[in-house]
Amino acid sequence: GNSVTQMEGPVTLSEEAFLTINCTYTATGYPSLFWYVQYPGEGLQLLLKATKADDKGSNKGFEATYRKETTSFHLEKGSVQVSDSAVYFCAPLLAYNQGGKLIFGQGTELSVKP
Amino acid sequence: DGGITQSPKYLFRKEGQNVTLSCEQNLNHDAMYWYRQDPGQGLRLIYYSQIVNDFQKGDIAEGYSVSREKKESFPLTVTSAQKNPTAFYLCASESPGNTIYFGEGSWLTVV
Repeated sequence: GNSVTQMEGPVTLSEEAFLTINCTYTATGYPSLFWYVQYPGEGLQLLLKATKADDKGSNKGFEATYRKETTSFHLEKGSVQVSDSAVYFCAPLLAYNQGGKLIFGQGTELSVKP
Repeated sequence: DGGITQSPKYLFRKEGQNVTLSCEQNLNHDAMYWYRQDPGQGLRLIYYSQIVNDFQKGDIAEGYSVSREKKESFPLTVTSAQKNPTAFYLCASESPGNTIYFGEGSWLTVV
């Protein structure tokens, strides 16, 4: 079946450290891939996306590259800030003929200390 | 401003009651979704609608109902048949470019 595996949290980093959050997925076909961020008590905000193999999504210093051969979409940031503390979700979007829905893992909590 | 508006933000339900969560979007999106999130968990799909007057069950539809009479509105009713309704509920809509945007969510608590 379709599924997403993210590295377990919480991930605790010091400010200005390098961030990697691993994401691998199992999905039929070639889904579009998304990263969402959720701050406490809020909804999900779109962070970045990639729609085909080797595409790189980027936003606010975060980057992720669509790796078809390893079915991965790892999130990276060169220098994290305290304000990046949140829960991050990797989510493939299945094609319409495969159900047309986002598949979520459990999310990865990031805590950045000053 | 364009966006997705969910209301109420907080809702309390007594045992045996039905409650309805509102979701309105002014983005002119055809597809809309309802997800449920439990503490420390990912999101699970309840219902989705690709177009007005049509909707499909998601992975956890039991105890929920929806309607899609207007393009901009996709209300979710949590019925008394839903035995564990306490959760955070998220509504979303999908752009023509296949990007899904979420509302701010509604907290439902059974008292």
